[in-house]
Amino acid sequence: GDSVTQMEGPVTLSEEAFLTINCTYTATGYPSLFWYVQYPGEGLQLLLKATKADDKGSNKGFEATYRKETTSFHLEKGSVQVSDSAVYFCALTGGGSQGNLIFGKGTKLSVKP
Amino acid sequence: GAGVSQSPSNKVTEKGKDVELRCDPISGHTALYWYRQSLGQGLEFLIYFQGNSAPDKSGLPSDRFSAERTGGSVSTLTIQRTQQEDSAVYLCASSLTGTGGPGYTFGSGTRLTVV
Repeated sequence: GDSVTQMEGPVTLSEEAFLTINCTYTATGYPSLFWYVQYPGEGLQLLLKATKADDKGSNKGFEATYRKETTSFHLEKGSVQVSDSAVYFCALTGGGSQGNLIFGKGTKLSVKP
Repeated sequence: GAGVSQSPSNKVTEKGKDVELRCDPISGHTALYWYRQSLGQGLEFLIYFQGNSAPDKSGLPSDRFSAERTGGSVSTLTIQRTQQEDSAVYLCASSLTGTGGPGYTFGSGTRLTVV
């Protein structure tokens, strides 16, 4: 079945460092891909999305490009801030009628001042 | 309401007891999902409701788990004879059409602890 694999954390970076969180997927058909973020004590929020190959999703300085050839959707940010500390989830929704999301296990990011 | 509301926010229960978790979706959203977030396990799909259709229960881990959605709005997830491995955060999400992730809005979850 469809699945998402993302790099395990925790990831600890200094402020202004470059961030990459790797995400690869396995899916039949043509899934839509998402990154969700969960800040401490808060619910999940959609960070960005891409619905077809070569699309780039971007939001709050984060970017991810839908790479069909490598089945990847890596999350990047050029300069992280302390406020980016959170758990990041890669997810996909496939071509089925349910629309339910399939999530990776999450990567905890801690940014130190 | 403005967002997806879940109650209670925290629940501690004794092993063997039944619990009910409530989700109040965004008004007008036809699709409602329950997920379970366990430590180190990411988010696990449990059940999906879409309008008046029969729910997709394929993610429920055992027959101790059940869910209802009354009147196409509020949903209740019931766990019978709770076990310690049921301890997790239970998340509810709703979306307007149920045809994809972009429209999802998640609640803040119910943290269930079984002692």
